Amino acid sequence: AQSVTQPDIHITVSEGASLELRCNYSYGATPYLFWYVQSPGQGLQLLLKYFSGDTLVQGIKGFEAEFKRSQSSFNLRKPSVHWSDAAEYFCAVVPMDSSYKLIFGSGTRLLVRP
Amino acid sequence: DAGVTQSPTHLIKTRGQHVTLRCSPISGHKSVSWYQQVLGQGPQFIFQYYEKEERGRGNFPDRFSARQFPNYSSELNVNALLLGDSALYLCASSLGPETEAFFGQGTRLTVV
Repeated sequence: AQSVTQPDIHITVSEGASLELRCNYSYGATPYLFWYVQSPGQGLQLLLKYFSGDTLVQGIKGFEAEFKRSQSSFNLRKPSVHWSDAAEYFCAVVPMDSSYKLIFGSGTRLLVRP
Repeated sequence: DAGVTQSPTHLIKTRGQHVTLRCSPISGHKSVSWYQQVLGQGPQFIFQYYEKEERGRGNFPDRFSARQFPNYSSELNVNALLLGDSALYLCASSLGPETEAFFGQGTRLTVV
């Protein structure tokens, strides 16, 4: 079945430490790939997206993500986390065979220790 | 520049009632999509409209309906509310049906 999996429900890191959030997808063809961030009670903000080309994508707020076709993964990374990064992070895909319908993973909540 | 605006921000309804949620897209955007986000889950696609035509529908019952107006704003209607309809309803707008979506802050619906 087509799906987007974020295996980590919660992740806690210390401020200044590096971060990696995992995302795997299950689709026949490589979909468009996205990472969104959501602060409590807020809407979604796009961090970065991958359509094609360079597999290392740079986004806003110092985030980057790497697309690995062999692993069907699109993991989000940040070299040094700030306390303001505490939020919920969602991986999403737009399958190639559908209209522009975002399909989201279940999210990973990031907690940042001072 | 004004982003996607949704109204109201919060509302409380009773089971069996009807609700209308409203969305104004970013100026120049002609496509609007609706998502439902239940607490603790990722958003689920409900509808996409482009140029007043429905372009996509998610796996939601017929109690859910939507429309898009000539000024590209949109309404989401839910009839016969159930407790399980309690959620954050997100609207997203884009230039077209296959371009980047920008999300509003959402409407928090509580059904009691």
